[in-house]
Amino acid sequence: AQSVTQLGSHVSVSEGALVLLRCNYSSSVPPYLFWYVQYPNQGLQLLLKYTTGATLVKGINGFEAEFKKSETSFHLTKPSAHMSDAAEYFCAVTFTGNYGQNFVFGPGTRLSVLP
Amino acid sequence: GAVVSQHPSRVICKSGTSVKIECRSLDFQATTMFWYRQFPKKSLMLMATSNEGSKATYEQGVEKDKFLINHASLTLSTLTVTSAHPEDSSFYICSAPGRGDTEAFFGQGTRLTVV
Repeated sequence: AQSVTQLGSHVSVSEGALVLLRCNYSSSVPPYLFWYVQYPNQGLQLLLKYTTGATLVKGINGFEAEFKKSETSFHLTKPSAHMSDAAEYFCAVTFTGNYGQNFVFGPGTRLSVLP
Repeated sequence: GAVVSQHPSRVICKSGTSVKIECRSLDFQATTMFWYRQFPKKSLMLMATSNEGSKATYEQGVEKDKFLINHASLTLSTLTVTSAHPEDSSFYICSAPGRGDTEAFFGQGTRLTVV
């Protein structure tokens, strides 16, 4: 079975500050890991993903995440927050060979960016 | 890239009526589609897996008779919320597996409000 936890349901940062959204997973098989962003009343937009290879993954809008197997983590970071980054962020996991099929999502973290 | 189109994006219906939500894969064939539900301030929960030409597979606790899923063609899956009640108000989102061992492609989501 797989599960995802996201520490902090709500994170607030000042504009220009570092963004750090935490994600830990549990999986009995090698995971595929994803970060999605959801703006109000919109669907999910893929920020980045880790499947295999380089553990530091760069995504859109300046976000990146690092897969740390030893820590079972996939934390999302951005060096400098922008007001437009305010949204809900979901970490998700599926697994190798599942061919992109059903995902297990974390509970989400709402990011607020303060001026 | 692959696109999944979900319609309608918003719907308001009266209690007791039925609502149909469509999910279309626009430039690829999807033999499988997934339906998720997002409760307020919660993460997305997989409701069911629709399979083209066969019965859908429902997750534990999801009422099959209330949430009717039809996958009549390789590009269309529908979710019908029957005899809707206010507690069915939620954000529903579909997804289709990508080509090969990749992430899923998500629809834009449907905000259902039952009054």
